[in-house]
Amino acid sequence: GESVGLHLPTLSVQEGDNSIINCAYSNSASDYFIWYKQESGKGPQFIIDIRSNMDKRQGQRVTVLLNKTVKHLSLQIAATQPGDSAVYFCAETMGEYGNKLVFGAGTILRVKS
Amino acid sequence: NAGVTQTPKFQVLKTGQSMTLQCAQDMNHEYMSWYRQDPGMGLRLIHYSVGAGITDQGEVPNGYNVSRSTTEDFPLRLLSAVPSQTSVYFCASRGRGVAKNIQYFGAGTRLSVL
Repeated sequence: GESVGLHLPTLSVQEGDNSIINCAYSNSASDYFIWYKQESGKGPQFIIDIRSNMDKRQGQRVTVLLNKTVKHLSLQIAATQPGDSAVYFCAETMGEYGNKLVFGAGTILRVKS
Repeated sequence: NAGVTQTPKFQVLKTGQSMTLQCAQDMNHEYMSWYRQDPGMGLRLIHYSVGAGITDQGEVPNGYNVSRSTTEDFPLRLLSAVPSQTSVYFCASRGRGVAKNIQYFGAGTRLSVL
């Protein structure tokens, strides 16, 4: 889930298990919701997006679920690998034409071998 | 294909100094943005541009100026640095159409203001 301040939530999973990272969003009018992955010392990298009129979208090893009733977004990673260790951010598009991207605080995923 | 290139990678400034963070992309993207990332937090939008000659403010624009004279370049200027501007700065660009949500980020500039 989301956090405030300096203490990001941390999810620790065993290699090979599935991971579920959660995010609560604020704006019901957002058109798209997006997940980014940020490895240490690097810029964020796009993972997957979902339009607000969908409730599920699948990619390679990842699935994003959107629950608009409770304003909740989740990212599921199948068969988690050590290379999945990173900080994961959810983001939502806002503003005219969705030109603004607003990020959540992030969740740390640690994969144990 | 270099993607999004940011310079410098590291910078230390004294309070009151000015500097420009450079950002260049070679993907012919119309949209470019600047974000700052503080410890334990997500990225916050400073300024963005939807094309050459067009810029707009994001969530935290105070203390920063931008301009977009070419499609490729989107520099961020700090006119008079203050310690609260100590942060990691990321530049990003994206295209249009079906790929419009895929923002490509640079590697970041770590700025310390003393």
